[in-house]
Formats: sequence, C-alpha cells, structure tokens
Amino acid sequence: DTAVSQTPKYLVTQMGNDKSIKCEQNLGHDTMYWYKQDSKKFLKIMFSYNNKELIINETVPNRFSPKSPDKAHLNLHINSLELGDSAVYFCASSQRQDQETQYFGPGTRLLVL
Amino acid sequence: GENVEQHPSTLSVQEGDSAVIKCTYSDSASNYFPWYKQELGKGPQLIIDIRSNVGEKKDQRIAVTLNKTAKHFSLHITETQPEDSAVYFCAAKETSYDKVIFGPGTSLSVIP
Repeated sequence: DTAVSQTPKYLVTQMGNDKSIKCEQNLGHDTMYWYKQDSKKFLKIMFSYNNKELIINETVPNRFSPKSPDKAHLNLHINSLELGDSAVYFCASSQRQDQETQYFGPGTRLLVL
Repeated sequence: GENVEQHPSTLSVQEGDSAVIKCTYSDSASNYFPWYKQELGKGPQLIIDIRSNVGEKKDQRIAVTLNKTAKHFSLHITETQPEDSAVYFCAAKETSYDKVIFGPGTSLSVIP
C-alpha cells in the first residue's frame, strides 16, 4: 500500500535527452511537491502544487516543467538534460497547503552521462 | 528568506550513547520545525516536530527542544541503536510561503 510512489526508480540517460518522472499519491492529499537532492544530500524544493495549481516555483531552469493532471499526480518533465541535473528527485505530498507534515516518495535517481 | 544551518554534518556514537544534532534558523517568523530521518535509498520520513509555542517535545527515545529567542532547535536521541543510523534533516517552515526549508543534514552512525 504505497502512499507516494514514483517511477522510474532509476533513470540513466544521455546529455541533451528529454525525460519524465511520474509521481502518484493515494493519500487523498491536496498538495504535492518536487524536491531535488544533490550528491551532498542537500534537499531543495523545486515546485509545489495545490489542487493542480502551481503555488511554489523556485529558481529552477525552464527546462524543468511540472504538470499536475489531477491532484493525485504530479509529473516532472525535463528537457535537454545536462550533467548537473544528475541528482535524486523526490516527490512529496501533504494534506493541505498549510499542513506541515510531508510524505515523501522513494525517489528517482537520475544520472546524466 | 529562511536559512537553516545544521551541525554536525557527521556524527558517530557508540550504541547506547546519546546523540544530539543542533540547528539554527534565521527567520523569526518561522513557527514549525520538523525533523526528518532518511535511511539509505529511501525518502525522508518525519520523526518528530515542534511548534513555536512549545519548548520541548518527547516521543520515546527522541526529543526536540526549541529556543525561540536564540533561534535554535535540537534533536536528542537517547539509547541509540544501530537502526538509528541515517541522515537526519532539521527544517523550518516559512510562514509567508508555506514552504519548508531543510538544513543540510547530519549523517549519524551508531556503532554496535
């Protein structure tokens, strides 16, 4: 009974390619997030959606485009992948926008060669 | 915006000893301070949190203290066990943006 799931778990790709990561939560939460964790374990928020509406958009290159088809799904599409995009990407959800407890997915390990 | 610092970056303790991780935050308006544990290959998981109207909170072997005046908060783990080995993140919530800012993490190793 996975609460927050992500696919794929691992993604190895060449520089310049376009790739997508998918996230789904079955908790009935309104708010979903994307975080990037670099090789030094720094965890930084990228985007936040509340009921399919973008509410947080950090300083992230335009090559990253989130999409929320419904409030249970938040996907991340990355165009023209660069070496520096290699990281672990975590999806998370919370019950409401102002609800503090966040539930994280298992992560997608992206390696750009 | 909010900035969260965390020390130490790595910590090794003998099984049964206590571990303390300390964090500071910059925005005096922040009012919620969670702690997350990240085991190897997994996503972070909330282990305890504290709000700004409380000075201390305990849950079995873990406790968190908050000093609002000094903008410090700490995680205390007593009677450490090997399964406590993980990366621990403190965080603070920016009230103006409903955004959680994470500290850089502490890698805790509990030596059997």
